[in-house]
This record gives sequence, structure tokens and C-alpha cells, in this order.
Amino acid sequence: EVQLLESGGGLVQPGGSLRLSCAASGFSFSNSAMGWVRQAPGEGLEWVSSISGGGNTYSADSVKGRFSLSRDNSMNTLYLQMNSLRAEDTAVYYCARVVFQGAHDYWGQGTLVTVSS
Amino acid sequence: DIQMTQSPSTLSASVGDRVTITCRASQSITTWLAWYQQKPGKAPKLLIYKASTLESGVPSRFSGSGSGTEFTLTISSLQSEDFAVYYCQQYNKWPLTFGGGTKVEIK
Repeated sequence: EVQLLESGGGLVQPGGSLRLSCAASGFSFSNSAMGWVRQAPGEGLEWVSSISGGGNTYSADSVKGRFSLSRDNSMNTLYLQMNSLRAEDTAVYYCARVVFQGAHDYWGQGTLVTVSS
Repeated sequence: DIQMTQSPSTLSASVGDRVTITCRASQSITTWLAWYQQKPGKAPKLLIYKASTLESGVPSRFSGSGSGTEFTLTISSLQSEDFAVYYCQQYNKWPLTFGGGTKVEIK
């Protein structure tokens, strides 16, 4: 059974940092592209960042230079390092497996990041 | 960036109704389009990829069509468990972009 378990969310002050983790199981993580999608309270879905199995990364302009995506294939874990956080980064962050060149077939339960003073 | 526009934003329907949601892309995305269903407090669920391919385990009352810039998601006979928000997403070019969502509510 495929499972994606996010952790690391919480309350952080503007300008602060947070690292999200996504522990994956039930599939070949090292051969899979992975990504993060976020959803602000009451809003729609927004793609954040994706990483290929080989480590190539792609990010939304809204987070470029502030967020970085990495993976540890030995630990089957995906990371999202978030720096210089802003109020508009407040959202539930979902980890997802990326398939068929860009669709997201399995999703975690999400972790809430709140940026507020 | 490719803009994805869904219509309507809200749709009121009854159980048994045929429902159609439209998604338009600001430029051609050939068939690189996915549809998702999201229920309150839950993660999205992939329904359809490559515009018309049904994800494994998704009921056959869901279908997708279209290519280029115009796409539709159809639910042939709405069931109670289908009341949710539906999103389209293009994956033809970076950045990946989602439509604004269509809420299907009970009439």
C-alpha cells in the first residue's frame, strides 16, 4: 500500500524557516518523481515544487530562491526547506507522487504551515 | 505561465443528474491534463490523466475528453459521494498549474 506521511508543519514567524518531510512507502521511491502542492485556507490548489528521480528540481516563481526541494532515496524521504517565510505561504502542504510526466496520483494527508507573528 | 480556467465555479445538481465541468487552457496543452476530486478536509484524489484516461479504481461514471485548449469532465449519473470540489491541472509545461476549482453541491 502506498503511503505518504508529511511532518514538520507548524506555526512560524514571518521571515522564519521550516523544513517539511514526507516519508514514503509502498512503491519504488528512488525511481519516482515527487512534489509538493499547497492549499491556502479556503482556496484552491497551487503547485509548489517537483523533483525527478534523478534530482532535477522545478519550482513555482512564488517560492524560487526561498524554498528548496531535496530527497534522500536511502531514507525514502522527500524534504521541502522553506526559508524567508511570508504570511502568504500559510497553507496545507501536500506531498504527492508525480506520474505520467506531471499528474499527482498519490497524496499525503497534508501538513499545515501557519506564518504569523 | 499557462492559465487554467474552470467553469462553472459552482454547480448545483441532484443525484442521478449528468454533470459536465469545463476546463480551458490559455494555450495548447495537447492532452496533458489531469482531473482531481477533493472532499472537505481530505487530500485531492486523481480521477483522470492524459485528458481521458481513467485512473485505476475510479468509477466508470467519470469520463474526460478534450485536447488542445478545451477539456471536459463528465459525471454520467451523479452519486451522493460525488459532491465535492473538482480541479483540473495541466502538465504540459512548467510551472504546473491548476484550475480554480468547481464545487458540485446538492440542489
